[in-house]
Amino acid sequence: EADIYQTPRYLVIGTGKKITLECSQTMGHDKMYWYQQDPGMELHLIHYSYGVNSTEKGDLSSESTVSRIRTEHFPLTLESARPSHTSQYLCASSGQGPLGYTFGSGTRLTVV
Amino acid sequence: GIQVEQSPPDLILQEGANSTLRCNFSDSVNNLQWFHQNPWGQLINLFYIPSGTKQNGRLSATTVATERYSLLYISSSQTTDSGVYFCAEGLDSNYQLIWGAGTKLIIKP
Repeated sequence: EADIYQTPRYLVIGTGKKITLECSQTMGHDKMYWYQQDPGMELHLIHYSYGVNSTEKGDLSSESTVSRIRTEHFPLTLESARPSHTSQYLCASSGQGPLGYTFGSGTRLTVV
Repeated sequence: GIQVEQSPPDLILQEGANSTLRCNFSDSVNNLQWFHQNPWGQLINLFYIPSGTKQNGRLSATTVATERYSLLYISSSQTTDSGVYFCAEGLDSNYQLIWGAGTKLIIKP
């Protein structure tokens, strides 16, 4: 079944640790996105990709980085986590431009 | 850029009640969508509705593009309807979604 997967679902880590949030999709979509969402609030775009070897920063400034070496995989990395990074991170892909979005279940990150 | 505002911010209803959620936007829209985020955080696309009216079961949506607003109607609410409802405009330039702040809906049994 075509879907988009995020791991881990929950993560609690200490300040200064390096972490990678995984996102994979099986739909063959070219476009993938990372959004950051504080509880109950609107989503903000932090990174997006149009395809392999294409990555762009979104409107919300983020200290994270992304890579797109394979179509199906779009990991997000924080080199040195801080408490201000505590949030939910949602990965999405789309096959029809701004339509046809499919979201992953999200990673709830807590940095202590 | 376009701004999206939603009202009310919070809504608490008894099971079986009807509700209307509103989305105002500051500019013309081409890709207006409604999403539901369940209490576990999963986002589901409900409607693509840049204009006109669509219905899906107990949910329907109407967008009046000339007056720059969209409405989401939920009839005969069930507890599973609880969560946050977002409207969002998809940009044709980079395909990102511009989100409203959401309406948090709680349906009490």
